Amino acid sequence: AQKVTQAQTEISVVEKEDVTLDCVYETRDTTYYLFWYKQPPSGELVFLIRRNSFDEQNEISGRYSWNFQKSTSSFNFTITASQVVDSAVYFCALSLGYSGGGADGLTFGKGTHLIIQP
Amino acid sequence: GAVVSQHPSWVICKSGTSVKIECRSLDFQATTMFWYRQFPKQSLMLMATSNEGSKATYEQGVEKDKFLINHASLTLSTLTVTSAHPEDSSFYICSASRIFYEQYFGPGTRLTVT
Repeated sequence: AQKVTQAQTEISVVEKEDVTLDCVYETRDTTYYLFWYKQPPSGELVFLIRRNSFDEQNEISGRYSWNFQKSTSSFNFTITASQVVDSAVYFCALSLGYSGGGADGLTFGKGTHLIIQP
Repeated sequence: GAVVSQHPSWVICKSGTSVKIECRSLDFQATTMFWYRQFPKQSLMLMATSNEGSKATYEQGVEKDKFLINHASLTLSTLTVTSAHPEDSSFYICSASRIFYEQYFGPGTRLTVT
């Protein structure tokens, strides 16, 4: 079975600070996919990134960056120069991609509530 | 592209009644659809996986007779909560997959059982 751990329940920083959200995963499979989603108060999930297990390159998208390290089973997310609009709950998730004849569901971490104070 | 809708966005029903939630992929055909449940301030938990034309596969601990899932076409899946009780009050989110490594989430349905 897969497991995703987000040890940080809540993080509060002042605007313009950098912040890193941690994600540690467990799986025995060699092929898997990792995701980050943002969930604002409206509840709708906003897709941020997907990485497969064979691609360990770090990724940067504007103020967002992701660090994938298979050696430590971690997929951390950093927001640089945080803004109030970044306030939300962020979920890390894992999928095996293909399972039993169809797509595999996501296993989510418990989420990190990020609060950016003005 | 890859838009998923849910209807209704919120529903209030009385204890003992049944409620149906629809999930539609608007601009693509979804070979697999998923249903998740999220209690307040908690994570999303996968309830079931359904492939078009097949019976849904339920996660351990999810009552299949209580949460009826029908995936009648490549663009529509429905979740019916039968004999709902207050403890079924939750945020239900569906997702649809056209390629095995992608999932597109709907906006969610907030169910309140009184």
